[in-house]
Amino acid sequence: EPEVTQTPSHQVTQMGQEVILRCVPISNHLYFYWYRQILGQKVEFLVSFYNNEISEKSEIFDDQFSVERPDGSNFTLKIRSTKLEDSAMYFCASGPSQPQHFGDGTRLSIL
Amino acid sequence: GQQVMQIPQYQHVQEGEDFTTYCNSSTTLSNIQWYKQRPGGHPVFLIQLVKSGEVKKQKRLTFQFGEAKKNSSLHITATQTTDVGTYFCAGPRGSTLGRLYFGRGTQLTVWP
Repeated sequence: EPEVTQTPSHQVTQMGQEVILRCVPISNHLYFYWYRQILGQKVEFLVSFYNNEISEKSEIFDDQFSVERPDGSNFTLKIRSTKLEDSAMYFCASGPSQPQHFGDGTRLSIL
Repeated sequence: GQQVMQIPQYQHVQEGEDFTTYCNSSTTLSNIQWYKQRPGGHPVFLIQLVKSGEVKKQKRLTFQFGEAKKNSSLHITATQTTDVGTYFCAGPRGSTLGRLYFGRGTQLTVWP
């Protein structure tokens, strides 16, 4: 069964550095999402992407965040100037619209 | 704003006992989705309910969507140790294309 794949599985970064989290959505899906989950908390929406543009973003998705679909397969989340509170699991999801299928996540640890 | 509430937050059961988690939304949902997340894992899609009053079954799991499309439940009959994990409900507000609003989840522990 097709899967959403994410790399790296774990990223450790110094505060203030930039990170790029990568995702390969399921190939025939058209809607892409990023969510995050702080340890022990619920999954929170960051951004949705459709037709090569952001379709919706949450209040969490401020100017330090950006998304890109650089080619036909990858979907990236960039966090500029990371902060301690950015430490979380970041999940990419894709869908035909609904439901959404999640990748294994990237654990981001900011030191 | 949209809120999805889920109770209980934790549930500990003996293997063989039944388990139910309840989900309530502050607004009407176009559909509701249920996910299971094992410790250290990612949310795995279980099922989507779309119609008012819909009931779906997957082996020992029974999912219901309320008549007003604002509440839902997941019931597991005769739990097994493999059922351990956190069960989340999630729904988009309005359009079916939108962000998912997740409940806090119910963390299920099953004792052998």
